Amino acid sequence: DAKTTQPTSMDCAEGRAANLPCNHSTISGNEYVYWYRQIHSQGPQYIIHGLKNNETNEMASLIITEDRKSSTLILPHATLRDTAVYYCIVRVGYTGTASKLTFGTGTRLQVTL
Amino acid sequence: SAVISQKPSRDICQRGTSLTIQCQVDSQVTMMFWYRQQPGQSLTLIATANQGSEATYESGFVIDKFPISRPNLTFSTLTVSNMSPEDSSIYLCSAEGTAAGYNEQFFGPGTRLTVL
Repeated sequence: DAKTTQPTSMDCAEGRAANLPCNHSTISGNEYVYWYRQIHSQGPQYIIHGLKNNETNEMASLIITEDRKSSTLILPHATLRDTAVYYCIVRVGYTGTASKLTFGTGTRLQVTL
Repeated sequence: SAVISQKPSRDICQRGTSLTIQCQVDSQVTMMFWYRQQPGQSLTLIATANQGSEATYESGFVIDKFPISRPNLTFSTLTVSNMSPEDSSIYLCSAEGTAAGYNEQFFGPGTRLTVL
């Protein structure tokens, strides 16, 4: 699976949009971009994933550049409860044994008043 | 979605002993995984728990130290054997492949293990 690069930490004011970048310059054509987050003392939580089109769900939006070498996770109105470590993960779509997730160090997002 | 529970939620153990962690999913899943998260670190995959066959271990993890069982499509156990303080970590179970598809991997709340 391709390696990802994320900033170590970011701050965001409550109510503002949080934009979390991720670089994955070696991504292959059959690899998806996944985002998970881990709130302190909890298991990781799935947020969103995409292949090449922008995606949106009730939690966030995922913007993938046209060359697919980078992406941005957008939390439109960050709240204190969004304070967490956010992981950007690239992996091949489900093919049986190749569906493991490889976690990097992630971005620690601190939402402040 | 799938809801995953783990038992125990936390434990304090003496070195040289073993602990078995249980993972229960509320629906049948194809894939189950075990991860370790050492203090202040990210998650590291230990193994894939295969139903009806031996688990598939990642580099650096061996069956004698981390035996895994998966007797059916909703349950798995991880045993941490002959524990040392270096095994103090959070152990997480995850699952993927419900009737709804394979797009999302769900995680349990984790088991916080402290070895004295």
